[in-house]
Amino acid sequence: AQSVTQLGSHVSVSEGALVLLRCNYSSSVPPYLFWYVQYPNQGLQLLLKYTTGATLVKGINGFEAEFKKSETSFHLTKPSAHMSDAAEYFCAVSGPDSWGKLQFGAGTQVVVTP
Amino acid sequence: EPEVTQTPSHQVTQMGQEVILRCVPISNHLYFYWYRQILGQKVEFLVSFYNNEISEKSEIFDDQFSVERPDGSNFTLKIRSTKLEDSAMYFCASAQGRSSGNTIYFGEGSWLTVV
Repeated sequence: AQSVTQLGSHVSVSEGALVLLRCNYSSSVPPYLFWYVQYPNQGLQLLLKYTTGATLVKGINGFEAEFKKSETSFHLTKPSAHMSDAAEYFCAVSGPDSWGKLQFGAGTQVVVTP
Repeated sequence: EPEVTQTPSHQVTQMGQEVILRCVPISNHLYFYWYRQILGQKVEFLVSFYNNEISEKSEIFDDQFSVERPDGSNFTLKIRSTKLEDSAMYFCASAQGRSSGNTIYFGEGSWLTVV
C-alpha cells in the first residue's frame, strides 16, 4: 500500500523567491512518484514524475523534484517563483503494479505575492 | 497538447436521482480512470477500465457506481441513486499505456452537487 503526506496546506511565497513544497511517501514497493498542478478551473496537469533512474527529475515550468529514498521524500522546488505559479500542487504515488491508481496527497495551495 | 474533456462541468441533482458523467479520453488512449475529490479532502481513485472491463476498483466504488464505454469514444460514470455524500469533483483520466513511460492525463473535472 502507498500513501502520501504533504506538509503545509497553504504556502505563501514572494515573487522571485524559492518555492519548496514538501512531500513524504510511504510504500511497500519501489514507488512511482508524481507532482501534479491544478490551476483555477482547470484539470490536473503533470509537472514531473519519478519512476526509475536519475533521482533529480526536471519538469515543466522550471520545477524539479528529488527522490530521496533514505528520507522517503519527493520535495518539489523552483528557484524563482512567478505569479503564474499560483495554483494547487498535488504529490501522488503509485506502485509498479498499480500504474494509474494514484494515491494523492491533500494538496498545497501556493500563493505568490508581488 | 492533447486533452481529456468532461461534461457537464457542473451538475446539481436531487438525492436519489441517477447521474451520468461523461468523458472523452484522448483518442489513442487505452486505459481510463475515474477519480473524485470531496471538498476539502484528497483526490481518491475510484476505478480503472481497460479493454471494456473494470481492471481495478476502490472500496468507494460500490454497486451504485458503474462505468462503461458505450460507443468507443465516450467513457461514462453512472451513479445510480445519488446520496448527499456523493457531492464531489469527479475527474476522468486516460493513458495510452500502463507502463512508467506513459503519462496519465486528467480532465478538468465535473462538479456534482447532490441536494
